[in-house]
Amino acid sequence: QVQLVQSGSELKKPGASVKVSCKASGYTFTSYAMNWVRQAPGQGLEWMGWINTNTGNPTYAQGFTGRFVFSLDTSVSTAYLQISSLKAEDTAVYYCARGGMIIDDAFDIWGQGTMVTVSS
Amino acid sequence: SYVLTQPPSVSVAPGKTARITCGGNNIGSKSVHWYQQKPGQAPVLVIYYDSDRPSGIPERFSGSNSGNTATLTISRVEAGDEADYYCQVWDSSSDHPKVFGGGTKLTVL
Repeated sequence: QVQLVQSGSELKKPGASVKVSCKASGYTFTSYAMNWVRQAPGQGLEWMGWINTNTGNPTYAQGFTGRFVFSLDTSVSTAYLQISSLKAEDTAVYYCARGGMIIDDAFDIWGQGTMVTVSS
Repeated sequence: SYVLTQPPSVSVAPGKTARITCGGNNIGSKSVHWYQQKPGQAPVLVIYYDSDRPSGIPERFSGSNSGNTATLTISRVEAGDEADYYCQVWDSSSDHPKVFGGGTKLTVL
């Protein structure tokens, strides 16, 4: 079946980096966009941006430039989110979510989420 | 940036109808999607493009969108519908173009 499986929870110290993976299966990886969504503890959903799985071109929402990098390995149908110089306020659940290549398409498939905790 | 306003909470008795609103400036000109999120789980798409249902979503879930308000309607509410619900649109003029509402906690009494 169509699914996105994310890597496990991470505990990092401030200033460190983390790389979250999102492996797709059950569909043609390059036929759909991959989005990233953040959810801080007890808070709502916040769209971080997306990556075009055909071209590898990323688009970052305001507030997610500089320390956040989206990347792909199409040979294994996997998208990645890397966050550098981690801060306590980066503590959140990070979701990958499949979207269509049409810009206003919905996010129809979601990963299970990866909890990233930043604490000294 | 474009703002979507949802009521923080809605309560409804089992078997009744719940309506969750999503307000935004001229939202009727945009495509609205709705997601359900149960505690500790990832969101699930329940309505897309204002009123379409993905396969597997019960017919009890419906959506509408006009003017400045989009509405998610859940008929014959069940205990299992208790969750947070988020609306989402794409706004071409925003620097944060894929926007979520703040979410509504649906409580089944």
